Amino acid sequence: NAGVMQNPRHLVRRRGQEARLRCSPMKGHSHVYWYRQLPEEGLKFMVYLQKENIIDESGMPKERFSAEFPKEGPSILRIQQVVRGDSAAYFCASSPGLAGVNTGELFFGEGSRLTVL
Amino acid sequence: AQTVTQSQPEMSVQEAETVTLSCTYDTSESNYYLFWYKQPPSRQMILVIRQEAYKQQNATENRFSVNFQKAAKSFSLKISDSQLGDTAMYFCAFMKHLTGDDKIIFGKGTRLHILP
Repeated sequence: NAGVMQNPRHLVRRRGQEARLRCSPMKGHSHVYWYRQLPEEGLKFMVYLQKENIIDESGMPKERFSAEFPKEGPSILRIQQVVRGDSAAYFCASSPGLAGVNTGELFFGEGSRLTVL
Repeated sequence: AQTVTQSQPEMSVQEAETVTLSCTYDTSESNYYLFWYKQPPSRQMILVIRQEAYKQQNATENRFSVNFQKAAKSFSLKISDSQLGDTAMYFCAFMKHLTGDDKIIFGKGTRLHILP
């Protein structure tokens, strides 16, 4: 499957635990985006990364949330000390990121649904 | 900052009818992209149609077309001959032109039900 792969699809955590969500972009894509979707809401931008660089993290809470996209391996969205309000679907998307190649289209994964008990 | 507004939280139409979903946006940019994405019950987001702001001609993709009014900052989606498989959440989205700061901003969505 050459699409955007997210895992786990479902994650249950108790308050105070850590959640790690993984995203492997489409082959050849160097840009990764994380979005959060609350029930009955649209997608809220969280962070935009290129390999080894955070380009824009303006949508990510300053505390407890972090993201990385290392040179090798998937992008990771990490939520420390989770609270009930973190329960949401977290979507990863990727794009080629190159002018002339990048049409603006984002290719989405199927999402990771986090439930905090 | 850019904003995207979808004023219709939910709509229902009969199969085979035509339906129009509304979207307005706010930006000071002159070049940008606009999109409609579909999120069916399976939850995976799929691009439906894309419009480049510098193009006056409205984009079309089979049964899907847009009415892009740049001066009014309006970008509506028309679905002709609607099908049951069109039932989904539809999100209007905005992206600044490819400058490196190219995050996509989404509206809150319109839930569309196609009735048999």
